[in-house]
Amino acid sequence: DIQMTQSPASLSASLGETVTIECRASEDIYNGLAWYQQKPGKSPQLLIYNANSLHTGVPSRFSGSGSGTQYSLKINSLQSEDVASYFCQQYYNYHTFGAGTKLELK
Amino acid sequence: EVQLVESGGVLVQPGRSMKLSCAASGFTFSSFPMAWVRQAPTKGLEWVATISTSGGSTYYRDSVKGRFTISRDNAKSTLYLQMDSLRSEDTATYYCTTGGWFAYWGQGTLVTVSS
Repeated sequence: DIQMTQSPASLSASLGETVTIECRASEDIYNGLAWYQQKPGKSPQLLIYNANSLHTGVPSRFSGSGSGTQYSLKINSLQSEDVASYFCQQYYNYHTFGAGTKLELK
Repeated sequence: EVQLVESGGVLVQPGRSMKLSCAASGFTFSSFPMAWVRQAPTKGLEWVATISTSGGSTYYRDSVKGRFTISRDNAKSTLYLQMDSLRSEDTATYYCTTGGWFAYWGQGTLVTVSS
């Protein structure tokens, strides 16, 4: 099974700051990676798929990058509505999620 | 507008069975593989099962193999999850979702397994 190690587990940042969340896969997942945002009490929402493709309607301040086993999600110019938990997911071989990153405002 | 509406989640005793449903609308249901993902209270996301467009292929995480069955009725645009021999560790909100990457999600239905 492919394991996904996500870091950090929690993050505190200021409005307007740039934030980066990382995921490392236990083996090459060939860009089969997605990022999700989940707000308290709500369903997850897709942000990025294929490692760097922005899902329809997602603000351009969100971007994804990476290859092989290392991937990252960047949020430029942090907004108050970005306070949420973020999860990575590999879908190259079945599906595995990272443990999540809880993003709060400083 | 894509809509996925789950139903069927209740409180059930360990060892009993339950069937979840997910009614889909706003897209061509028969063209998309579908999946169930669950989330235990205050925990992360966990993939449960996936079914191909025709229903001919199904895939499960190891911990539910032999106990859960995913199925679909393309004529009714509905996805199902039959859950047998339920355990306390199956307690979670169950989400219905689309595709290889999970583009669209339902609101979830809470399954509680407890005596």
